[in-house]
Amino acid sequence: DTEVTQTPKHLVMGMTNKKSLKCEQHMGHRAMYWYKQKAKKPPELMFVYSYEKLSINESVPSRFSPECPNSSLLNLHLHALQPEDSALYLCASSQNRDSGTQYFGPGTRLLVL
Amino acid sequence: QQQVKQSPQSLIVQKGGISIINCAYENTAFDYFPWYQQFPGKGPALLIAIRPDVSEKKEGRFTISFNKSAKQFSLHIMDSQPGDSATYFCAASSIGTALIFGKGTTLSVSS
Repeated sequence: DTEVTQTPKHLVMGMTNKKSLKCEQHMGHRAMYWYKQKAKKPPELMFVYSYEKLSINESVPSRFSPECPNSSLLNLHLHALQPEDSALYLCASSQNRDSGTQYFGPGTRLLVL
Repeated sequence: QQQVKQSPQSLIVQKGGISIINCAYENTAFDYFPWYQQFPGKGPALLIAIRPDVSEKKEGRFTISFNKSAKQFSLHIMDSQPGDSATYFCAASSIGTALIFGKGTTLSVSS
């Protein structure tokens, strides 16, 4: 089973709202990732967690706040987003940071009004 | 040096034809080269991947050809089908580094 699940599938939020995206995997992977993808563009790496510790933050604005409560779960807390943050947010996992093979979830389509 | 250059940007192929997408890289430290397939509104799905110790890998209708000296690798889709219509991303990485994606190729297979 190579499944990564993400909830919700779609999210509409205003610029003053606070919301969270959730990602879950049960493959025993110890690295988890958040990506942002705009239409017709490749995924852009936002954050990497390795063994539940944040190991990479690609200069992402503080209005995005990641959290890794345990080895199976990854959250992305959203606050005071801008319309340009509207995108597909993808979660991925891999056996570890060095394994190379990443498995992506279906994504959350976010629209900021 | 961290870039992966992918071409063409878009591709139209007749049903039953061969689709070929090319990627080139500069960083000789890259040692893992996956291809992802993405349908609209879905996440990228790992299609096939190769490491530099082999020159070709085949899985069903999908083949990766790898040329280490030229620093190029390509995806060949044999007997292309309308269901193969999607965006394809090549990528590259090395130990401890993030995946570097190409810009993507939109494939349309006409019936």
